[in-house]
Amino acid sequence: GAVVSQHPSRVICKSGTSVKIECRSLDFQATTMFWYRQFPKQSLMLMATSNEGSKATYEQGVEKDKFLINHASLTLSTLTVTSAHPEDSSFYICSAASPTGGQETQYFGPGTRLLVL
Amino acid sequence: SQKIEQNSEALNIQEGKTATLTCNYTNYSPAYLQWYRQDPGRGPVFLLLIRENEKEKRKERLKVTFDTTLKQSLFHITASQPADSATYLCALDGDSSYKLIFGSGTRLLVRP
Repeated sequence: GAVVSQHPSRVICKSGTSVKIECRSLDFQATTMFWYRQFPKQSLMLMATSNEGSKATYEQGVEKDKFLINHASLTLSTLTVTSAHPEDSSFYICSAASPTGGQETQYFGPGTRLLVL
Repeated sequence: SQKIEQNSEALNIQEGKTATLTCNYTNYSPAYLQWYRQDPGRGPVFLLLIRENEKEKRKERLKVTFDTTLKQSLFHITASQPADSATYLCALDGDSSYKLIFGSGTRLLVRP
């Protein structure tokens, strides 16, 4: 149980275009999902907390107009990188809070590798 | 601000030995601490959670200790196997909304 999927797993786009990444909880409902970014050999950096039915909460330094988050249902959150630039190239990972217990643990998706040319 | 430190140098050990990884933190008193495993190009996988009032927790070959005085957690893998080779991340609870703050991870390499 507690499987999280991401789509696409890899995307290459031209500079200036927008890219949408989907995060789905496959066998449970997730009121809270998280979006992270990870650069090579670095740790996961939390970008934002996605709450079903309400606006996302962004971490300091993350541009909310550039990284649009929509959590339209209890099983789907999307991250749209708008007007992507080469510096946005990174590994984007989503997670959902555990459906059982106190929600302290997170179940992660497999990640999306974004390359902006 | 909260700071989490993990040894950035890879830990290279022989199969069958015990691997011990360290996580130190400052400027914070977490309610719990977690360990995750991450393989290259994949998302992290949850391993263990230990709360502030727990000294030690075990799961199969894994053992985690939590010393709130030293502000340190140790993660042990006994009878290590080459399949245990991965990067291990520690994470502390953030200030709200079940956020997690991750360390940079330590890469473990178990030689056959």
